[in-house]
Amino acid sequence: GAVVSQHPSWVICKSGTSVKIECRSLDFQATTMFWYRQFPKQSLMLMATSNEGSKATYEQGVEKDKFLINHASLTLSTLTVTSAHPEDSSFYICSASLAGPYEQYFGPGTRLTVT
Amino acid sequence: GDSVTQMEGPVTLSEEAFLTINCTYTATGYPSLFWYVQYPGEGLQLLLKATKADDKGSNKGFEATYRKETTSFHLEKGSVQVSDSAVYFCALRRNSGGSNYKLTFGKGTLLTVNP
Repeated sequence: GAVVSQHPSWVICKSGTSVKIECRSLDFQATTMFWYRQFPKQSLMLMATSNEGSKATYEQGVEKDKFLINHASLTLSTLTVTSAHPEDSSFYICSASLAGPYEQYFGPGTRLTVT
Repeated sequence: GDSVTQMEGPVTLSEEAFLTINCTYTATGYPSLFWYVQYPGEGLQLLLKATKADDKGSNKGFEATYRKETTSFHLEKGSVQVSDSAVYFCALRRNSGGSNYKLTFGKGTLLTVNP
């Protein structure tokens, strides 16, 4: 299957700082990318869907000004957690797919810890 | 809204035991159904899928049948191995453009197989 990478795999940042997480599709052009958040022993919660070249669509309850998503190319999407707080500590996972009902390929995830 | 309910774990089995992980869903229309697996420290991988009623998805000895009458997609394997130890997620995807083809996940079931 297609390969999706995330960078960094883990990051520790101080409260109040911003951190950027990259999601790359390595061997296909991903028209659509999804960002999820996974809490310990819980399901993946979809945060937002981004289509290349357009604004992301955020799920209800997700602060768009806090979680900035950019999908500037067909192989790269970024999630920036702005003014991070300890409650933002989580496992963030991206997935990428072609537009339409195609398989989503998942990245390995990024563990964010805010101190 | 759409939802997926799967049996809570953890599930602990001995090698070569029979596995069933129950999954039921609520959705309008005719969603596609999926099982994903997440091995320790890795991202989600698609295990199997079914796109219409009575379809059976299968892969690596795992099977699941799309039962519309019971809105279920239970995962089964006749003889588990230690290497099957992972978290298993049931998911659905509504097949309409308005939904952006996003996935809705269950909470995941941790399976541990002992030698």
